[in-house]
Amino acid sequence: GDSVTQMEGPVTLSEEAFLTINCTYTATGYPSLFWYVQYPGEGLQLLLKATKADDKGSNKGFEATYRKETTSFHLEKGSVQVSDSAVYFCALSKQGKSTFGDGTTLTVKP
Amino acid sequence: GAGVSQSPSNKVTEKGKDVELRCDPISGHTALYWYRQSLGQGLEFLIYFQGNSAPDKSGLPSDRFSAERTGGSVSTLTIQRTQQEDSAVYLCASSLVATSGYQETQYFGPGTRLLVL
Repeated sequence: GDSVTQMEGPVTLSEEAFLTINCTYTATGYPSLFWYVQYPGEGLQLLLKATKADDKGSNKGFEATYRKETTSFHLEKGSVQVSDSAVYFCALSKQGKSTFGDGTTLTVKP
Repeated sequence: GAGVSQSPSNKVTEKGKDVELRCDPISGHTALYWYRQSLGQGLEFLIYFQGNSAPDKSGLPSDRFSAERTGGSVSTLTIQRTQQEDSAVYLCASSLVATSGYQETQYFGPGTRLLVL
């Protein structure tokens, strides 16, 4: 079946550091890919998405590119802030059904 | 407008009791999803409703779990004869129509934290 594997955490960075959280997927067909974020004490919310190969999703300085050849959707940000501390989930969706990764906890220190 | 709401926010029950968890999706969203998030783990898909179609129940872990969606809106997830391993956060999400090949953004509720003693 479909699966999502994302970089294990926790990840700890200093403010203004470069962030990469790896995500690879296994799926048949053409899934849509998502990154969701869960800030402390809050619910899950969409961070960005891409619906087809080579699409780039971006939001709040975060970016991820749908790479079909490597079945990847790595999350990147050039300069993280303390407020980016959260749990990040990579997910794929296909015909209504979603599969999530286990989440990566990011802590950004001032 | 109002987001997805869930009730109760917390539920403590004794092993063997039945529980009902409620989800109110965003108005106009025809797709509704239930997930389970166990401590330190990702989201586990449970069930998916889309309009009047038969729900996709492929994620339900056992026959003790069931869900219904009345009038295409509110949904109830029922767990019968609860076990300690059922303890988790149960999340509901809704979205606009999930068209073939493309998945609309899911909007999540705050979850119900279930503890089975």
